Amino acid sequence: EVQLLESGGGLVQPGGSLRLSCAASGFTFSSYAMSWVRQAPGKGLEWVSVISGSGDTTYYADSVKGRFTISRDNSKNTLDLQMNSLRAEDTAVYYCAKDELTAPGTNPVDYWGQGTLVTVSS
Amino acid sequence: SYVLTQPPSVSVAPEKTARITCGGNNIGSKSVHWYQQKPGQAPVLVIYYDRDRPSGIPERFSGSNSGNTATLTISRVEAGDEADYYCQVWDSSTDHVVFGGGTKLTVL
Repeated sequence: EVQLLESGGGLVQPGGSLRLSCAASGFTFSSYAMSWVRQAPGKGLEWVSVISGSGDTTYYADSVKGRFTISRDNSKNTLDLQMNSLRAEDTAVYYCAKDELTAPGTNPVDYWGQGTLVTVSS
Repeated sequence: SYVLTQPPSVSVAPEKTARITCGGNNIGSKSVHWYQQKPGQAPVLVIYYDRDRPSGIPERFSGSNSGNTATLTISRVEAGDEADYYCQVWDSSTDHVVFGGGTKLTVL
C-alpha cells in the first residue's frame, strides 16, 4: 500500500524558513517522480514543484522559484521541500504527491499524502 | 502561461448526469487528468489520460477531450459524488503542471 506522510508544517513569520518532509513507503521510491502541491485555505490546488525519480530534474512554479528547493533522498525514501523567504501568500496545506512515471511531464499524480499546514503570519 | 478554465459550480439531481468542463487553448492536444476532492480530504485521481479510470473508480466516471474543451462526465450521480473536481495538464512550453480552478459539484 502506497503511503505518503508529510511533516514539518507549522507557524512561521514572514521572511522565515521551513523545511517540509515526506516519508514514502509501499513502492519503489526512486522509480517515480514526486511533486509538492499546495492549497490555500478555501482555494484550489496549486502546483509547487516536481522532481524526477533520479533527482536530476526539477521544475518550479513561478510563484516559488528562487525561494523553494525540492530534493529527495532515494536511500531514505524521503522527499523534502526547503522553503525560504516565506510570505503570507504561501500559507496553505502542502501535499506530497507521487507521479505515475519516473520523469516529470504529462503523467498524473496517482497518490497523495494527507497534507501538512504551513501558516505564514506575524 | 497556459490557463485552464472550469465553471465554479455545477448542480445536478441524483441519478442524473453531471458534466464538468475544462477549457484550454487546444487542450485536445494535451493529456488531461481529473481529481476529486471531498472536504477535509486529499485529492483522488478519478480520470487520467483523458478517459482512463484508475482501479476502484466507478464506471459512472468518464472523460473526453477534444478541441478546446475536456469534459468529465459523471452518470447516475450519487450524493457521495458531491465534491470539488479539478482538471490538470502538463504545459510543455514552460515545464509546469497546471490545474484548473476547480468545480464544486452539488447534488440537489
